[in-house]
Amino acid sequence: QVQLVESGGGVVQPGRSLRLSCAVSGFTFSNAAMHWVRQAPGKGPEWVALISYNGYNQNYADSVKGRFTISRDNSKNTVSLQMNSLRAEDTAVYFCARSIPNGNPLGVFDFWGQGTLVTVSS
Amino acid sequence: DIQMTQSPSSLSASVGDRVTITCRASQNISRTSQSISRSLHWYQQKPGKAPNLLIYAASTLQSGVPSRFSGSESGTDFTLTINNLQPEDFAVYYCQQTYKTPITFGQGTRLDIK
Repeated sequence: QVQLVESGGGVVQPGRSLRLSCAVSGFTFSNAAMHWVRQAPGKGPEWVALISYNGYNQNYADSVKGRFTISRDNSKNTVSLQMNSLRAEDTAVYFCARSIPNGNPLGVFDFWGQGTLVTVSS
Repeated sequence: DIQMTQSPSSLSASVGDRVTITCRASQNISRTSQSISRSLHWYQQKPGKAPNLLIYAASTLQSGVPSRFSGSESGTDFTLTINNLQPEDFAVYYCQQTYKTPITFGQGTRLDIK
């Protein structure tokens, strides 16, 4: 069955960096665009970034552009989010999610991981 | 950016009731081309869990989702209807547009037991 498992969350000071990973199994990873979505405490989901099936195209929310980088390794079935210059407002649960593999990188998110908590605090 | 506005923000109902949640997009996001799926989706989220896909392309029921859930659209307005509410349906519901980036979600509708 399809599984997405995030890791790498934790407590980090403002201005520091953190790298999140999402390990995927149960489907042909190289066929699917992948996304990161975050959810601050008590708030709704906020889309963060997407990467195309082959890694050639990335897109970011304005709130993270220039600070976060999404990448993928199709040989290891992983997608990562490098987060630099972290701010208090980046505190959230971060989810990776799969776009349904229909060739459209903006397809619906049909599978999600369980999330990993990132807390930015001094 | 396309803003998604849900109403109501909260709702109280009883087991067996029928409820309707509406999502309005700030731009028209319906497309009818066979090569492009429609871009409005509905998720259910329970505490401590990831959002779970209920309806995609405005009206298509995700596999495994009970048939008491349904979706419809009219121009820039989209509706999620839940018939015969069950105890497990009390949760927060979000709409989402994937028409273009940035992908955006509605602010959520909390459905509570009356």
